[in-house]
Amino acid sequence: GAGVSQSPSNKVTEKGKDVELRCDPISGHTALYWYRQRLGQGLEFLIYFQGNSAPDKSGLPSDRFSAERTGESVSTLTIQRTQQEDSAVYLCASSSRTGGYGYTFGSGTRLTVV
Amino acid sequence: AQRVTQPEKLLSVFKGAPVELKCNYSYSGSPELFWYVQYSRQRLQLLLRHISRESIKGFTADLNKGETSFHLKKPFAQEEDSAMYYCALKVEGAQKLVFGQGTRLTINP
Repeated sequence: GAGVSQSPSNKVTEKGKDVELRCDPISGHTALYWYRQRLGQGLEFLIYFQGNSAPDKSGLPSDRFSAERTGESVSTLTIQRTQQEDSAVYLCASSSRTGGYGYTFGSGTRLTVV
Repeated sequence: AQRVTQPEKLLSVFKGAPVELKCNYSYSGSPELFWYVQYSRQRLQLLLRHISRESIKGFTADLNKGETSFHLKKPFAQEEDSAMYYCALKVEGAQKLVFGQGTRLTINP
């Protein structure tokens, strides 16, 4: 597509429920990244996919967080048994293979856990 | 571990005044540095990257390896420059970016 698309744009969920966030990267971008941005804070790296290579999961904060991506297409970030501290904006970005031209970001999913 | 520090959370200057947003990094190798900007109700977007040595919207940033800094500068601020600015570091051999906490720049009329 023309840009990075994320859905939903807003999600309110009850504590303990599971949520799934979706990211559709720019066509042809082999790299895809998920970041979390808590209110008033910087961007916190979560996970990175590059083509069919094993993902870099080093930023996932707990085993409640997981992400999948099939090939170079859509990715889903799943948070199980959500907690209030999971409330944040979840940003997805994609880039060309080397990333040297920087990322293109989606508009994010604002997750609120009540 | 690599780190990016933006010491100012908030910065306010008058229109027409010079502006400098500070960014320091910690990394012993050869870094690639970026500045990203987020205008109100818009998505985060790339402003400039050090390897292209370009000026975008009047902004420039020079990588100073001795001081491990990548400060963003503009000689004459404009009201439309009001936004959130993030400095980011990419290390050799990796694709992920490490971001600073961001600086909210407000240009007063």
